Amino acid sequence: DTEVTQTPKHLVMGMTNKKSLKCEQHMGHRAMYWYKQKAKKPPELMFVYSYEKLSINESVPSRFSPECPNSSLLNLHLHALQPEDSALYLCASSWDRGTPEAFFGQGTRLTVV
Amino acid sequence: ELKVEQNPLFLSMQEGKNYTIYCNYSTTSDRLYWYRQDPGKSLESLFVLLSNGAVKQEGRLMASLDTKARLSTLHITAAVHDLSATYFCAVVGGSQGNLIFGKGTKLSVKP
Repeated sequence: DTEVTQTPKHLVMGMTNKKSLKCEQHMGHRAMYWYKQKAKKPPELMFVYSYEKLSINESVPSRFSPECPNSSLLNLHLHALQPEDSALYLCASSWDRGTPEAFFGQGTRLTVV
Repeated sequence: ELKVEQNPLFLSMQEGKNYTIYCNYSTTSDRLYWYRQDPGKSLESLFVLLSNGAVKQEGRLMASLDTKARLSTLHITAAVHDLSATYFCAVVGGSQGNLIFGKGTKLSVKP
């Protein structure tokens, strides 16, 4: 299994809603990442987890809350988002931070209305 | 601060012709990634280049890495419509292992 699975694929939420994005991998990778990609822009790092501990928070607003319940699972909890948060959210994993292979999930297309 | 620059940002190609995309990065790195992204889709890994002088080829695409010049090239041979997509290069940014991406090159192949 060489896949990173993200759910849901699409999400539309209001600004007062609470929702969660889910990411799962069963490759034994110990580093997992959340990236945000706006239209026609490159992906930008949001969070890095290494061995289930938050390693980097790139000054992301608190309305985004990551969680890593175990080494295979990564969540991104969303609350009180703004329309400008609409984007493609990508999860990725690798054996460890900085190791050659970085596998990306299919992404969640988020629209905030 | 690590910077990754790609050029060109847009490339309109004619079928059957050859083209090259360039990727420069600002600090030392011994690995470089090329990804393809179709509209609305995620990133598809094309190549991982791990050492100076590395060259990898897959179909009509060939990527190379010159770590001394901090330059990678993605060469397209005899372009076909199926290659239309946005191509990103990326470099590992420091000890945390996250990728720093170039702005992407949008390729469009016209008959």
